[in-house]
Amino acid sequence: AIWMTQSPSLLSASTGDRVTISCRMSQGISSYLAWYQQKPGKAPELLIYAASTLQSGVPSRFSGSGSGTDFTLTISCLQSEDFATYYCQQYYSFPRTFGQGTKVEIK
Amino acid sequence: QVQLQESGPGLVKPSETLSLTCTVSGYSISSGYYWGWIRQPPGKGLEWIGSIYHSGSTYYNPSLKSRVTISVDTSKNQFSLKLSSVTAADTAVYYCARDSDPIVPAALFDPWGQGTLVTVSS
Repeated sequence: AIWMTQSPSLLSASTGDRVTISCRMSQGISSYLAWYQQKPGKAPELLIYAASTLQSGVPSRFSGSGSGTDFTLTISCLQSEDFATYYCQQYYSFPRTFGQGTKVEIK
Repeated sequence: QVQLQESGPGLVKPSETLSLTCTVSGYSISSGYYWGWIRQPPGKGLEWIGSIYHSGSTYYNPSLKSRVTISVDTSKNQFSLKLSSVTAADTAVYYCARDSDPIVPAALFDPWGQGTLVTVSS
């Protein structure tokens, strides 16, 4: 299985901040990486796929980059509704695996 | 728009079989895409369990494969999960989801059901 390491696990930030979350893979996965946002008590929602393609309806302040083993999710100007937990997920090989999550909390 | 809804017992005894059904509305399972199950233990991360195509083709997580069966009933527009010999470690919120990638099987999960908490306890 491909393992991923997300960092940081917890990120304290303020509204308006630029934040970045990292996802490092145990082996190369080309661009077969997705990012999800999960709010408390809710199901995850797909934000980005193919490492950098925004899912329809996702605000442009979200962006993704990277390929191979190192990937980044960036929120350019944090809004109140962005405080949530973010997960990366690889779909290069089976089993599909998720990162352990990064909680973005209010500073 | 596609909507998914999980249903099934919220409490299962250890060693018994967990059974959940996902009912899909707004889209015919027979029209395509893979359909999957993902779980999340309380306060923890996400684990992919497995996915199924309308033809019955399946992919399973090897860590659960010996205990998991996913099936599909196109006539009811539903797919189901059975997990046998459960223990407390199987306590989790179980989500069903549609795969949104038309090419790569069981790749991307969107949308998701609201999730259902299943507790394994005597």
